[in-house]
Amino acid sequence: DAGVTQSPTHLIKTRGQHVTLRCSPISGHKSVSWYQQVLGQGPQFIFQYYEKEERGRGNFPDRFSARQFPNYSSELNVNALLLGDSALYLCASSLVTGSSYEQYFGPGTRLTVT
Amino acid sequence: AQSVAQPEDQVNVAEGNPLTVKCTYSVSGNPYLFWYVQYPNRGLQFLLKYITGDNLVKGSYGFEAEFNKSQTSFHLKKPSALVSDSALYFCAVRGRDDYKLSFGAGTTVTVRA
Repeated sequence: DAGVTQSPTHLIKTRGQHVTLRCSPISGHKSVSWYQQVLGQGPQFIFQYYEKEERGRGNFPDRFSARQFPNYSSELNVNALLLGDSALYLCASSLVTGSSYEQYFGPGTRLTVT
Repeated sequence: AQSVAQPEDQVNVAEGNPLTVKCTYSVSGNPYLFWYVQYPNRGLQFLLKYITGDNLVKGSYGFEAEFNKSQTSFHLKKPSALVSDSALYFCAVRGRDDYKLSFGAGTTVTVRA
């Protein structure tokens, strides 16, 4: 079975631009979460979606938004990019949204903002 | 608020020796605890979790972890380390009614041949 897939693998953007990152969860998984991992730090929680509804949001500005589609795939959008948005963006899926369930991570999208 | 501390940035061991990666946590109520490993240019791979029950949890690749409620710790262990265990290890915690998974800063493990 395929794991969590993310696209693109790498992305270079200029300050002020907009970016869309995509994620496909493991087949059968209905919950998708997004994390930002800055170099040298642990992943920071951005969003969790379950059944197309936002179930949780981390401490990120409104420039960050996301959505989940009927097939459970998800997009993360970031507007007005700043240099500090440069990071590895990780998508994770889990079977359901319960807190005892482990999350399975994709390989990430490396975003560089210049 | 929930948080995780991994007090060691780096752990160096010789192949065949025991490996321990330390983790302490802070969360309201009883925790769910997780260990993940990250190889270069890869996403995080799930190793094991503590939900309830036996304090010693066994996971993938010969790893195990011991939950200690009184010390609020969840240390990762492997009896005999391999060179291929060299990677970045993350401890994570989630409260029982929480959606958010909080990670530590990570510990880089280097196993020398």
